Amino acid sequence: NAGVTQTPKFRILKIGQSMTLQCTQDMNHNYMYWYRQDPGMGLKLIYYSVGAGITDKGEVPNGYNVSRSTTEDFPLRLELAAPSQTSVYFCASSDPGGMSNQPQHFGDGTRLSIL
Amino acid sequence: GEDVEQSLFLSVREGDSSVINCTYTDSSSTYLYWYKQEPGAGLQLLTYIFSNMDMKQDQRLTVLLNKKDKHLSLRIADTQTGDSAIYFCAEGANDYKLSFGAGTTVTVRA
Repeated sequence: NAGVTQTPKFRILKIGQSMTLQCTQDMNHNYMYWYRQDPGMGLKLIYYSVGAGITDKGEVPNGYNVSRSTTEDFPLRLELAAPSQTSVYFCASSDPGGMSNQPQHFGDGTRLSIL
Repeated sequence: GEDVEQSLFLSVREGDSSVINCTYTDSSSTYLYWYKQEPGAGLQLLTYIFSNMDMKQDQRLTVLLNKKDKHLSLRIADTQTGDSAIYFCAEGANDYKLSFGAGTTVTVRA
């Protein structure tokens, strides 16, 4: 199993450009998440999804959009890139199954710089 | 919102035990997690503990939970150079979302 796969691994954008960060998982997990990690700040939840067709805002959603058309894929879109969006972005997935709070599985991250 | 706090740095000699501490504020937390992040990689789940447990041991790892004080610790016995990483504490309630601490950078010196 590949687990959670994120592409690209690195990207440099100019201010005002747009891009989509891709995330796919092959574990048939219902729940998927997008986080950003800033130095010394831990992980902040941007958006999450509890299943195909359902998305909801996390703690820091401004400037981002998501969609969930399939169970496997959960892309994150930046429409107008700003320097404040320079960060490392992590996608994660989990599946509660019969218990709440099954652990989240993380991808390796996308390192994004906005110049 | 929920707050999870950790000290930012820990330096330990190879072969000694490491203890990483974490405090949280959400009394409805049901699960508490420890994740490890190596340079350039994602977060890898190390261990987790249910909130109705006091202790969990898994090989070199021991997790202690003091629910009254909302204090969680991770002890790594016989610390090795491969244990150098950032360690994140996270807590979750019944809504499937996690709150993370800022991470403790552990440096193992020879």
